[in-house]
Amino acid sequence: AQKITQTQPGMFVQEKEAVTLDCTYDTSDPSYGLFWYKQPSSGEMIFLIYQGSYDQQNATEGRYSLNFQKARKSANLVISASQLGDSAMYFCAMRGGSEKLVFGKGTKLTVNP
Amino acid sequence: GAGVSQSPSNKVTEKGKDVELRCDPISGHTALYWYRQRLGQGLEFLIYFQGNSAPDKSGLPSDRFSAERTGESVSTLTIQRTQQEDSAVYLCASSLAPQRGGYNEQFFGPGTRLTVL
Repeated sequence: AQKITQTQPGMFVQEKEAVTLDCTYDTSDPSYGLFWYKQPSSGEMIFLIYQGSYDQQNATEGRYSLNFQKARKSANLVISASQLGDSAMYFCAMRGGSEKLVFGKGTKLTVNP
Repeated sequence: GAGVSQSPSNKVTEKGKDVELRCDPISGHTALYWYRQRLGQGLEFLIYFQGNSAPDKSGLPSDRFSAERTGESVSTLTIQRTQQEDSAVYLCASSLAPQRGGYNEQFFGPGTRLTVL
């Protein structure tokens, strides 16, 4: 079975600073993918970034980067230069042997001015 | 182009009634997923359709839940004899056909908020 653990229910960061959201995972599948989604208060799910288990380099998308440590089974999301609009719920998810996504419980990020 | 649409956006029903939730995927997306999100929780997988293959129903919580998909278009999620614990946001997502060794982004709809009184 696959499992995603997000241990930070809430995080606070000052505008323009960087923040790291933690995600650890467990799976027996040799090939898997890790995803991060943002869910603003409006409720839509916004895809941010993807990391494949065989990717040699950490994924980056603009201000988002994924700190992938395979041996530790962690896939932390780093947001650089935080903006007020980054305030939202952030979900880590994984896909293993099937196409379904398994989600963590999420981290609520609040960016303070 | 149009994204994933879901209807209704909100549904309030009484315990014991049946409800139908609808999802219109992005045109050309052969894969369709239903997830449930309880208040303050992450998303739980319910069911996955891919083309004409048998659906993956492994996430359906009970036999009160069922879903259908017509070809590669609209899907309906039906909950019979609703219970208060069924109250949640039901999200639909669609994607292009799965590709070996890669991924296809799942595009989510706005969800249907179901409240069972």
